[in-house]
Amino acid sequence: GDSVTQMEGPVTLSEEAFLTINCTYTATGYPSLFWYVQYPGEGLQLLLKATKADDKGSNKGFEATYRKETTSFHLEKGSVQVSDSAVYFCALFPNFGNEKLTFGTGTRLTIIP
Amino acid sequence: DTAVSQTPKYLVTQMGNDKSIKCEQNLGHDTMYWYKQDSKKFLKIMFSYNNKELIINETVPNRFSPKSPDKAHLNLHINSLELGDSAVYFCASSNHRGRGTEAFFGQGTRLTVV
Repeated sequence: GDSVTQMEGPVTLSEEAFLTINCTYTATGYPSLFWYVQYPGEGLQLLLKATKADDKGSNKGFEATYRKETTSFHLEKGSVQVSDSAVYFCALFPNFGNEKLTFGTGTRLTIIP
Repeated sequence: DTAVSQTPKYLVTQMGNDKSIKCEQNLGHDTMYWYKQDSKKFLKIMFSYNNKELIINETVPNRFSPKSPDKAHLNLHINSLELGDSAVYFCASSNHRGRGTEAFFGQGTRLTVV
């Protein structure tokens, strides 16, 4: 079945550091890929998405590129801020089969000033 | 206006009780979901409804019964609550078969069974 593997957390970085959160997936065909963010006490919000190979999703300084050859969708940001502290989820939606969002385990990110 | 709204936000109840969580979306989506988030933040789908029809029912105990009176509402009723049901429950909605269509999530209902 479909699955998403995310980098284990928690991750703690200093403000303005470079961020990478790794995400790889297993799915048949070409799923759509997403990064969601969950701020403390809130629901999930879509951060960015990509629907086909080599697409790059970007939002709020975050980027992720859909790499079919490595089945990856790593999240990056060049300079993190304290306000980026949250839990980040990688997810996929298959292009056929059981149509549901499958999430990774989440990565808790803490940015210290 | 809140896109996906759940009530209540917090629910504390005793073992053995029956409780319901309500969810409404005003986005015009045709598909709604219930997800359970455990204490380690792991998210697992429980149910999915499309146009009031159940399309996904993961291995969830029969004590959990979703009800969709119309496309905009998906409620979750839980019978005979157990300690292990304590979690945050998220409702979400999206358009079915929309490739790349994002799911919108509610704020969550934190259920504590004591």
